[in-house]
Amino acid sequence: NAGVMQNPRHLVRRRGQEARLRCSPVKGHSHVYWYRQLPEEGLKFMVYLQKENIIDESGMPKERFSAEFPKEGPSILRIQQVVRGDSAAYFCASSTGSYQETQYFGPGTRLLVL
Amino acid sequence: KNEVEQSPQNLTAQEGEFITINCSYSVGISALHWLQQHPGGGIVSLFMLSSGKKKHGRLIATINIQEKHSSLHITASHPRDSAVYICAVLFNNDMRFGAGTRLTVKP
Repeated sequence: NAGVMQNPRHLVRRRGQEARLRCSPVKGHSHVYWYRQLPEEGLKFMVYLQKENIIDESGMPKERFSAEFPKEGPSILRIQQVVRGDSAAYFCASSTGSYQETQYFGPGTRLLVL
Repeated sequence: KNEVEQSPQNLTAQEGEFITINCSYSVGISALHWLQQHPGGGIVSLFMLSSGKKKHGRLIATINIQEKHSSLHITASHPRDSAVYICAVLFNNDMRFGAGTRLTVKP
């Protein structure tokens, strides 16, 4: 299966801990997008990355959230000092090019902050 | 006002019915995506459109750029089509999502 992989699928953290969400894109895809879906709400764009570059982070909260897509390895979405409001499903998608290419979604990571 | 409006919000149909889900947007866009989110939460990209019409199996998507409107049609609906269908538009390299249409197809 060469699809987008995300891990972990479920993550439980206590308030104040750090959460690290990983996304391995489709093989050959160099563009990665992160989206957040809060409970009972729609999807919201967070960040768009190419290898080693952040292209658009206009949807990222200003504090505690960061993302990277290193030359080697998966893309990481990092949330420091998590709060209950961070509880959501975080989806990663990848594509061969920019937004105008079809995006392939991963299964998501469901983060629960206690 | 949300830049991307979907209708209806909820839709219940009998198996075999023809389904139409609508998406209207208020900004100039360069592309529009239709996504399907399964009850388990997984998301599948159905179509990416910038003009005209696309067909894949029982699914048809159309877009009218002048009217800022897109429709997703499902022919001969089946219970396995039950999901949330989400319209997403690409505006200035920024993806904006509709709230989704929850479709339930009853046998």
